[in-house]
Amino acid sequence: GENVEQHPSTLSVQEGDSAVIKCTYSDSASNYFPWYKQELGKRPQLIIDIRSNVGEKKDQRIAVTLNKTAKHFSLHITETQPEDSAVYFCAARNGNEKLTFGTGTRLTIIP
Amino acid sequence: SAVISQKPSRDICQRGTSLTIQCQVDSQVTMMFWYRQQPGQSLTLIATANQGSEATYESGFVIDKFPISRPNLTFSTLTVSNMSPEDSSIYLCSGRQGRTEAFFGQGTRLTVV
Repeated sequence: GENVEQHPSTLSVQEGDSAVIKCTYSDSASNYFPWYKQELGKRPQLIIDIRSNVGEKKDQRIAVTLNKTAKHFSLHITETQPEDSAVYFCAARNGNEKLTFGTGTRLTIIP
Repeated sequence: SAVISQKPSRDICQRGTSLTIQCQVDSQVTMMFWYRQQPGQSLTLIATANQGSEATYESGFVIDKFPISRPNLTFSTLTVSNMSPEDSSIYLCSGRQGRTEAFFGQGTRLTVV
């Protein structure tokens, strides 16, 4: 089955700086890669996703890149703000199969 | 995207008892899932709830402990049976609607004493 590794487990950045979270996956057939943000005590929320037919996707301050050859994908947050502080999870999926989640990254934005 | 209402949001239960968690979606979804999340940890899939048939369980989870129902395309329940303190966790349901990706209920925080 699919295995998703996520790094780092914790990340602290100064407000206004950029944050990068990286994930690798094992199943070369995986073709869908979402990112979720989970604030304390809240449900995970989808923030951005990418499918295997593109290499990069942007949505305002958030971008995701995908390298299918190397089987890794990354989340980039620019101009970080205090409200970006949360736990972020990557995930991978093959077709209509289940999502496999990474272990999570706790991002702290330092004012 | 669709909205999932999950209840109860939290409960404190005696060991040996059972708790049923409900998820109601405001529109039909193709797939529904149940996850467990220990505090500070990732999401672990318990099972895929199949409409009108038995759920598909992941390794380490069994039907006798976590019976699941999904009578239609908008509703599912998870029962945590014969609870022990080790079952204390957050339980989340999620749904998938075509290419609209997994969205989650607000979670049930279960404490077993």
